[in-house]
Amino acid sequence: AQKITQTQPGMFVQEKEAVTLDCTYDTSDPSYGLFWYKQPSSGEMIFLIYQGSYDQQNATEGRYSLNFQKARKSANLVISASQLGDSAMYFCAMGLNTGFQKLVFGTGTRLLVSP
Amino acid sequence: DAGVTQSPTHLIKTRGQHVTLRCSPISGHKSVSWYQQVLGQGPQFIFQYYEKEERGRGNFPDRFSARQFPNYSSELNVNALLLGDSALYLCASSLETGANSRNTIYFGEGSWLTVV
Repeated sequence: AQKITQTQPGMFVQEKEAVTLDCTYDTSDPSYGLFWYKQPSSGEMIFLIYQGSYDQQNATEGRYSLNFQKARKSANLVISASQLGDSAMYFCAMGLNTGFQKLVFGTGTRLLVSP
Repeated sequence: DAGVTQSPTHLIKTRGQHVTLRCSPISGHKSVSWYQQVLGQGPQFIFQYYEKEERGRGNFPDRFSARQFPNYSSELNVNALLLGDSALYLCASSLETGANSRNTIYFGEGSWLTVV
């Protein structure tokens, strides 16, 4: 079974600073994908970034980058140059690359960006 | 292009009633999944449909059912509602099934269900 652990219930960062949100995962399957989603108070889950288990390089999408350490089974999200609009819940999720699509989510980290 | 759309956005039901939630995937997407998110927790997988067939079911009672239509839209039905069914119900769509780099999974804004 897959498991995602997010150990930071809340994080604070000042505007324009960088912040790292932690995510560790557990699976015995060699082929999987790791996702990060942002959830504002409105409820929508907004896709941020994806990392495949066989990807050689860390994923980057604009201000978002994923620090993927396969041996440690960690997939931390780095947000550079934080903005006030980044304040939200952030979820790490894992899915297997099979004919069946089920995402397993962590408990989330609430990020608060202060001016 | 329109994203994943869900309806209704908010609804209140009484215990024992039935509810139907609807989801339209992104155009061209053939996979639709449903998740339940209870307050303070991460989403929990309920169902996945791909090409109109059920591909997976999470650990939910038989009161929960779903289907996918020929146009790939989907309905989630919950019978005999309990107070514990109060949650945000999220629909997700993707081009294909599986979790790979060609198959980004997008979510809708969700349907907030309150059972009283």
